[in-house]
Amino acid sequence: EPEVTQTPSHQVTQMGQEVILRCVPISNHLYFYWYRQILGQKVEFLVSFYNNEISEKSEIFDDQFSVERPDGSNFTLKIRSTKLEDSAMYFCATQRGASYNEQFFGPGTRLTVL
Amino acid sequence: DAKTTQPNSMESNEEEPVHLPCNHSTISGTDYIHWYRQLPSQGPEYVIHGLTSNVNNRMASLAIAEDRKSSTLILHRATLRDAAVYYCILRDKFYGGSQGNLIFGKGTKLSVKP
Repeated sequence: EPEVTQTPSHQVTQMGQEVILRCVPISNHLYFYWYRQILGQKVEFLVSFYNNEISEKSEIFDDQFSVERPDGSNFTLKIRSTKLEDSAMYFCATQRGASYNEQFFGPGTRLTVL
Repeated sequence: DAKTTQPNSMESNEEEPVHLPCNHSTISGTDYIHWYRQLPSQGPEYVIHGLTSNVNNRMASLAIAEDRKSSTLILHRATLRDAAVYYCILRDKFYGGSQGNLIFGKGTKLSVKP
C-alpha cells in the first residue's frame, strides 16, 4: 500500500538555525499539507499546498516558515530561524484529489530545538 | 469548521464492541463527519467518514443521528491495537472544500484492556 514518507525521523538543531523537513507524498496525490503537534497537545494545521501554491495557512505559519515542491516529488517545510517553541512533531499529509476525502499522514519528524 | 465535543477518555475490554460518541450540535448541512485516529507515536490515520447515512468499512462503522447533531464511531471488536486517540472532525463539503485542512480537537483517548 502506498504511503507518505518523511525524513529525517528526528532532527535536533540549535535555536536560530534553519531546518528543512522533507516529505515524499503518495505519487498521484495533488493536495499536500503540513501539521504539527507539540508534545501532549492537539494536532495543528500549518499550511496546505496545491498546484505549486499555498492554498491556505494558519496563524502559526508566519514568515519564518516556507514550503515548496522543488522537484515535483518532494514536499518540503523550511523553518528559517528556529525557536525553542518550534519543537514539535511535524506531520506531512497528502490527499489524492478534491473528490477524495481521506488524508494520508506520514510518520512525522520530531524536531527538537535546543 | 463547526465544533465537536468528545469525551476525554474511554475504556474497553479486548474483543468487546466500543461506541465512541461525538456531539456536533452546530453542524451545517454541508459538513461531512470524519473520524481519524492516532496510535501512540504515529501520525493520524483516517478511519471513516459520512454525511447522513450510516457507513461501514473494514475498520469501523459510523452511526449518524437522524438530526446529524451527533454521531457514534463503532469498533465491533476492540483489539489492543485499537488503543489510540480518536478524533471526530467536521469538514465542509464546499468551503475549504473536501480538500481543506483538518481541524483536530483533543479527541477521545481509548484504552483497551486485555
